Amino acid sequence: EVQLVESGGGLIQPGGSLRLSCAASGFTVSTNYMAWIRQAPGKGLEWVSTLYSGGSTYYADSVKGRFTISRDNSKNTLFLQMNSLRADDTAVYYCVRGIRGVTNDWGQGTLVTVSS
Amino acid sequence: DVVMTQSPLSLPVTLGQPASISCRSSQSLVYSDGNTYLNWFQQRPGQVPRRLIYKVSNRDSGVPDRFSGSGSGTDFTLKISRVEAEDVGVYYCMQGTQWPWTFGQGTKVEIK
Repeated sequence: EVQLVESGGGLIQPGGSLRLSCAASGFTVSTNYMAWIRQAPGKGLEWVSTLYSGGSTYYADSVKGRFTISRDNSKNTLFLQMNSLRADDTAVYYCVRGIRGVTNDWGQGTLVTVSS
Repeated sequence: DVVMTQSPLSLPVTLGQPASISCRSSQSLVYSDGNTYLNWFQQRPGQVPRRLIYKVSNRDSGVPDRFSGSGSGTDFTLKISRVEAEDVGVYYCMQGTQWPWTFGQGTKVEIK
């Protein structure tokens, strides 16, 4: 059974940093393309970043230069390093496997709140 | 960026009646490999989004056959043949053809 479990969210002050983790089971992260998608409170869905199996990375303009997507193959875990956080980064962050093809799985999400 | 425009944004429906949501993209969603990466997602109240349709018209595993997707190029539609109570929620289209991937604003489906 495929499972994605996010962690690392919480309350952080503007300008601070957080690292989100997504522990995967039931499949191998390194052979799939993975993404982070976020949803601000009461708002719609916003794609944040994608990491392809070959290592290519893509970012939304709103996070480029501040966020970094990566993975640890030995831990079968996806990460999102978030620096210089702003109030408008406040959202539930979902770890997602696939989207374009046959497979698509979502984690339960982790809430990031940026506030002083 | 490719802008995804959904209509309507609010859709009151009667149980057992059909419903239709339109999604238009500002550019063609046909990718260089010939595929059109247009997805539809459902988000029930308080739940994680769930993909219903991928590549315009392919239903995900476990999705009832009352849901169907159609369209081409820049014009796409999600249809529910007979709305059930469990279909209440917000529906999003999303394009995965061009970077950045973009979502529509969402259409809220509620029962009249």
